[in-house]
Amino acid sequence: GENVEQHPSTLSVQEGDSAVIKCTYSDSASNYFPWYKQELGKGPQLIIDIRSNVGEKKDQRIAVTLNKTAKHFSLHITETQPEDSAVYFCASLSNFGNEKLTFGTGTRLTIIP
Amino acid sequence: SQTIHQWPATLVQPVGSPLSLECTVEGTSNPNLYWYRQAAGRGLQLLFYSVGIGQISSEVPQNLSASRPQDRQFILSSKKLLLSDSGFYLCAWSFGYSGRQGYGYTFGSGTRLTVV
Repeated sequence: GENVEQHPSTLSVQEGDSAVIKCTYSDSASNYFPWYKQELGKGPQLIIDIRSNVGEKKDQRIAVTLNKTAKHFSLHITETQPEDSAVYFCASLSNFGNEKLTFGTGTRLTIIP
Repeated sequence: SQTIHQWPATLVQPVGSPLSLECTVEGTSNPNLYWYRQAAGRGLQLLFYSVGIGQISSEVPQNLSASRPQDRQFILSSKKLLLSDSGFYLCAWSFGYSGRQGYGYTFGSGTRLTVV
C-alpha cells in the first residue's frame, strides 16, 4: 500500500519567515495531494491541494509544489503569522475508487513572535 | 453546501462501558464516510471507512465496530471500552468517485473520549 513520509515532525519559525514541510510518497499512481491544518482540539481542515497534472499551486501565503518524478511534494508558508501555529498533515490518494487518503505523520509548526 | 456533524464533543466513560459515537452528513448523497482515531500528539489512524449503506471496511483489528444504517449516518461503537480506546475520534466524509467534484476529506469537529 501507499506510504507517506513527512518531515520535519516539529518546526519552529520566526514570525515573518517562511516555513517548508516536505512529504514523500511511494505509489507512483497517486494523483491527488491535499494538505490539512489542525488546530488544538479541532478536526483537520483542508488548506490547499494539488493534482498530479499541476506542478505548483498558490493561495495567498500558502503554496504547494509537486515533483512526480521524485515522488515528493511540499507545503510552503510565507510571511508566517502566529495563527499559522498548528499541526499540518500531508496526504496522498492512491486507491482511486474509494478515495482513501494516506496521511503523513504530521508536523507541529510553531511561529515564534 | 455540505456539513458534517459529530457528537458528543467530549465523553468520559468507565472501562467496560459501551460506546456510541454518531456522525451525520448533510447536503450530499452517497458520500464515503470515515472514522479516524488520533492519540495525543500523534497522527491520524484510519479505523473504518464506508462507501455505501451497510458497507464497512475495517483497517485495524480492535475493540471497536462501525455501522452505516443510513446513507449519511456513520456510527462508531464498542461493547466494552478499554483504557487504550481513549483518544480523539474524527469522522470525515468525501465525494465517492463518480466524476463528482473534489477528492478531499471534510472532517468533523471530533470527539475527545477519555476512558477511566
